[in-house]
Order: sequence, then C-alpha cells, then structure tokens
Amino acid sequence: AQSVSQHNHHVILSEAASLELGCNYSYGGTVNLFWYVQYPGQHLQLLLKYFSGDPLVKGIKGFEAEFIKSKFSFNLRKPSVQWSDTAEYFCAVIHTGRRALTFGSGTRLQVQP
Amino acid sequence: EAGVTQFPSHSVIEKGQTVTLRCDPISGHDNLYWYRRVMGKEIKFLLHFVKESKQDESGMPNNRFLAERTGGTYSTLKVQPAELEDSGVYFCASSPSSGSLSEQFFGPGTRLTVL
Repeated sequence: AQSVSQHNHHVILSEAASLELGCNYSYGGTVNLFWYVQYPGQHLQLLLKYFSGDPLVKGIKGFEAEFIKSKFSFNLRKPSVQWSDTAEYFCAVIHTGRRALTFGSGTRLQVQP
Repeated sequence: EAGVTQFPSHSVIEKGQTVTLRCDPISGHDNLYWYRRVMGKEIKFLLHFVKESKQDESGMPNNRFLAERTGGTYSTLKVQPAELEDSGVYFCASSPSSGSLSEQFFGPGTRLTVL
C-alpha cells in the first residue's frame, strides 16, 4: 500500500532557527504532493503543493519544499521559524488517478520564544 | 465565503449507540471527502463524493459506516453501532471542481469518543 513517512514526530526549535521536516512517499508513479498545517485550535490548511514544473515550491508564510523524485522526498523548509509557526505539519500525496490524500503521521513543531 | 463546517464539534457516546456526523462543504464544491484520525495515528481517507455519487469508498473501514450526500450538498456519516475503535477525529473536506485536481479545504473536525 502507498504510504507517506514523516521522520520527525516532535521538533522543538528556538525562534530564528532553521527548519527542515522530512517527508518520503512510497509510490513510484506520478504523484501530487502537499504540505498541510494545523495551528492550535484551527482547521487544516494548505501550506504549499507540487503538481509539476519547478521542483522547488514556495508556499505561504515563508515555507518552501523541494521535490526530489529520485529520493521520493518532499521536505519542508523554512530558514527562520517564528513562535507563530508552532503547529502540526502534515505531508500528503495524491496518486495519479485518485483524489484521496494519503497523509503522513504528522510532525508537531514547537517554537520556543 | 463560509468554509467547510461540521456538526457536532464533539460527540461522546457509548459503545453500541449510533452517531451521525454532518458536513456542509463550501457552496458549489462538487467534491466532498471524509477522513478520520485515530489518536496517535495518521489522518486516513474514508470516502469521496462527487456531487451525490460515491466516487471512492475504499477507505471505509466496515459496514457499520454509512455515508450519504443526498442532493449533492451536505453529507452525513453514520456509525451504527459504534465501537471503541471508532473514537477519533472525523474530518470533512471539499474541493471545487470535478474535472481537475485542486486543493481540499478542511473543516474543523468532529471529535468522536466512544466509551
């Protein structure tokens, strides 16, 4: 079965530190890739997505992600985190021909002021 | 524009009882999805409607779960009878177009606790 792996379950950073959250997927075919975020008490919302084209994707709030097909990876990055980035982050994929999102288990990011 | 809404926000029931969750998608969105997150695990897909038709129900765990979307607007997800392992957060999402892949907009979720 297709799966998405997020390597870090809980990350604690200080403000201004750089962030990289790992995401790998198992499917070998064409995929569409997403990062969603859930801030405390809020809905899941889209941070960024990759469908095709430039593998370096920029999203909201200064986040970016790079799709590396050879590594089946779509890691999320931010050069300098803020306290307001404290949230749970989910990597997800949609495989060709489907519309269902397959999610990773999520990474809880805690940014300390 | 109103977002995806779900009702109730929380539900606590006893094993063997029935619960019905409701989702109102963003107006005009043809696609409606149900997902579930059991405590400590990943968010898992349950099913996908296009208008009133079930497009993909491969994630439905068993026949105790029944989803409907009469008229292609709001959807309900009924669990009958509920079991302990059904506890979790049930998310609904919608997306605007039946012809192209687009972002799914999520509701706040319904937290179901089965005692």
